[in-house]
Amino acid sequence: DAGVIQSPRHEVTEMGQEVTLRCKPISGHNSLFWYRQTMMRGLELLIYFNNNVPIDDSGMPEDRFSAKMPNASFSTLKIQPSEPRDSAVYFCASSLLLMGTRGNTIYFGEGSWLTVV
Amino acid sequence: AQSVTQLGSHVSVSEGALVLLRCNYSSSVPPYLFWYVQYPNQGLQLLLKYTTGATLVKGINGFEAEFKKSETSFHLTKPSAHMSDAAEYFCAYSGGGADGLTFGKGTHLIIQP
Repeated sequence: DAGVIQSPRHEVTEMGQEVTLRCKPISGHNSLFWYRQTMMRGLELLIYFNNNVPIDDSGMPEDRFSAKMPNASFSTLKIQPSEPRDSAVYFCASSLLLMGTRGNTIYFGEGSWLTVV
Repeated sequence: AQSVTQLGSHVSVSEGALVLLRCNYSSSVPPYLFWYVQYPNQGLQLLLKYTTGATLVKGINGFEAEFKKSETSFHLTKPSAHMSDAAEYFCAYSGGGADGLTFGKGTHLIIQP
């Protein structure tokens, strides 16, 4: 079975450029998460969607960051304009949330390694 | 607010020795607790999780963890370390529902030959 698929795996861009990270969740999953991992701050939840609807974006660092989920099989995280402090690994993850269940496993993609110079 | 604390950013053990990675949580609701492993340049992989029922949870690769409510702990253990266990280990908490996981800072496990 295909897992969570992210692209690109690696991106190097110049400060001020727009960056778009893409994610395809596991088929049938109804929840999608974007995390950011840095040495200083560890793993941070940026935003999560349930049934394609953004539920909580309180982790999005600032207005330069935006995320969309136009359908159940695709999501994007966009940074515009990018800054060197945005350099991090960005993980997309998905989960199947069923009514009445709790503690659902979240499955992670391989990550997108972003370097802004 | 819920939080997860992992004691020790780095743990070093000899091959064949016991592995013990510590995790404590703070929560006002019954927690759901997870351990994930991250190998270099890879994503996170679930090792095991506790939701309800038996407090001793067995996972992949010979790891297990015990949920102790009185101690608010969920420590990860493995009786005998293998070189392939060298990785970053993350403890995570969920309050249930559709929200995401709250992760600890991670513990880097080093295996000495």
